[in-house]
Amino acid sequence: DAGVIQSPRHEVTEMGQEVTLRCKPISGHDYLFWYRQTMMRGLELLIYFNNNVPIDDSGMPEDRFSAKMPNASFSTLKIQPSEPRDSAVYFCASSPGDSRTDTQYFGPGTRLTVL
Amino acid sequence: GQQVMQIPQYQHVQEGEDFTTYCNSSTTLSNIQWYKQRPGGHPVFLIQLVKSGEVKKQKRLTFQFGEAKKNSSLHITATQTTDVGTYFCAGPQVGKLIFGQGTELSVKP
Repeated sequence: DAGVIQSPRHEVTEMGQEVTLRCKPISGHDYLFWYRQTMMRGLELLIYFNNNVPIDDSGMPEDRFSAKMPNASFSTLKIQPSEPRDSAVYFCASSPGDSRTDTQYFGPGTRLTVL
Repeated sequence: GQQVMQIPQYQHVQEGEDFTTYCNSSTTLSNIQWYKQRPGGHPVFLIQLVKSGEVKKQKRLTFQFGEAKKNSSLHITATQTTDVGTYFCAGPQVGKLIFGQGTELSVKP
């Protein structure tokens, strides 16, 4: 079975531009998580969904960030407008439906560079 | 607030030496999970411990969950260059899986 799929793998953009990151979770997983990883702050949970519904977005840094999950097999994380401090690796992870704290399966990540 | 702390942040060892990373929680955990992230890669689940005092082994890796279920350790015997990476512990707190800061292991051949 395919794991979590993320696209693009690398994104370089200029400050002020809109960035959209995409994720396809593992089929049958009810939970989807978006994380941001930087050297300074480590692995930060941004938002998570359960059955396509956003449950906790308290980690979203500010209004420039938004996430959607229109169906069970697709989610997006959008940054508009992007800023240099948004540069990081963004991971999507999914988890089976037993619990929101169950084992998580991470995608390969999107390395975002905002110039 | 709720936290999961890991020490050390970095560890440099000679190939063949042992390595241990420690994880401490401010609250009692229902379980503890360990993940490994290779350089340039993504976190990959290694193991989950649930019971107080539980010890599990995976080849050269030994995982332990403390009696009070507030701490855990990962010990690698006779490190190899393939062990290089960052090891994260993670525990459920306030309804979320909280990751420690990770311990970055480098192995000199």
